[in-house]
Amino acid sequence: DAMVIQNPRYQVTQFGKPVTLSCSQTLNHNVMYWYQQKSSQAPKLLFHYYDKDFNNEADTPDNFQSRRPNTSFCFLDIRSPGLGDAAMYLCATSRTSSVTDTQYFGPGTRLTVL
Amino acid sequence: SQKIEQNSEALNIQEGKTATLTCNYTNYSPAYLQWYRQDPGRGPVFLLLIRENEKEKRKERLKVTFDTTLKQSLFHITASQPADSATYLCALYSWGKLQFGAGTQVVVTP
Repeated sequence: DAMVIQNPRYQVTQFGKPVTLSCSQTLNHNVMYWYQQKSSQAPKLLFHYYDKDFNNEADTPDNFQSRRPNTSFCFLDIRSPGLGDAAMYLCATSRTSSVTDTQYFGPGTRLTVL
Repeated sequence: SQKIEQNSEALNIQEGKTATLTCNYTNYSPAYLQWYRQDPGRGPVFLLLIRENEKEKRKERLKVTFDTTLKQSLFHITASQPADSATYLCALYSWGKLQFGAGTQVVVTP
């Protein structure tokens, strides 16, 4: 089945220790998104790629970076995680950035910062 | 500022009844509104999209209404089942991105 896969599902890191979360998709979609979701809050868009074009949200901290080496894969790098970065990180894809295109989400990576 | 408001209190409902959820928004003029379902520890799953010129949209036991005058969407689950227990998120497009509400948790008891 075509899908969005995130690894790992659970990640524990230490304060200040860099961490990388990965996302892969078999949908061959052009757009890939990273969202941060804290408990009982709305998913918050961090950035997205349309093909190789990177789009950063204005309020995304510089601590968060992303790479998309090819169509299928996208990575979220957190350079120096703080306690406030503990959250669920969701990867999503869509065929285009059209408002009518559905976003398909992965299962998420739960990040714990000690 | 733009806001999407959903009831933060869980909706507890008996199996077989209709669950009705509300999504209110301010300072948006969306042409489309979406609803997603999110299970604990999982990513959201798309359910329905409704356009501003559609007053109502149905999919199986789900019904969505969209009132651009009231700036409100209602989401109904008819003949609810325990398997419908989840958090339901509404989402609007603004400035080229999808913005989500925090969601309302629905708990359906047998």
